[in-house]
Amino acid sequence: KAGVTQTPRYLIKTRGQQVTLSCSPISGHRSVSWYQQTPGQGLQFLFEYFSETQRNKGNFPGRFSGRQFSNSRSEMNVSTLELGDSALYLCASSLSEGARAVEAFFGQGTRLTVV
Amino acid sequence: QKEVEQDPGPLSVPEGAIVSLNCTYSNSAFQYFMWYRQYSRKGPELLMYTYSSGNKEDGRFTAQVDKSSKYISLFIRDSQPSDSATYLCAMSAGGSWGKLQFGAGTQVVVTP
Repeated sequence: KAGVTQTPRYLIKTRGQQVTLSCSPISGHRSVSWYQQTPGQGLQFLFEYFSETQRNKGNFPGRFSGRQFSNSRSEMNVSTLELGDSALYLCASSLSEGARAVEAFFGQGTRLTVV
Repeated sequence: QKEVEQDPGPLSVPEGAIVSLNCTYSNSAFQYFMWYRQYSRKGPELLMYTYSSGNKEDGRFTAQVDKSSKYISLFIRDSQPSDSATYLCAMSAGGSWGKLQFGAGTQVVVTP
């Protein structure tokens, strides 16, 4: 059974540019969540999508957005990049229903560097 | 003050020793408590989770939750060098399954 796949693995962008990251969840998982991981702040929740609808949102500015497609694949977009956006962006998928609803499985992450 | 507090370590133990990790939290709504392991340059890997208070054992790993004290623990018995990683606690209020609140993570080093 394939795990969570994130692409690309590494990205280097310039301040002011925008970037789109992609996440393919485990087959059958309908919930996809995004997290930002930095040395100073640790893992911080960005947002969660379930059946193409944003179900939860963390405390990030509107420059961070996402969407989910009908096949549960998800993308997140960061516009007007700032140096502080440099981080590991992690995607997690879960069944989000039933006895194993809380089990979230993470991808390898996308390492974004803003210069 | 953060909702979930976790000592970042590093915690260094000799091979074969018991590793003891813990987190405290302030949000009484948390009902699900998870432990993740993260190796360098990898995504977090779910080790185990517990619901509400109590103990749960899985091989060399034992998780404990004390909701009255808002305190959770993870014990690793017979530690191996391959257990060297960062261990993250995470919590969920339930219902919002995809929204996890993480601790800072504790770096564990098991020396041969």
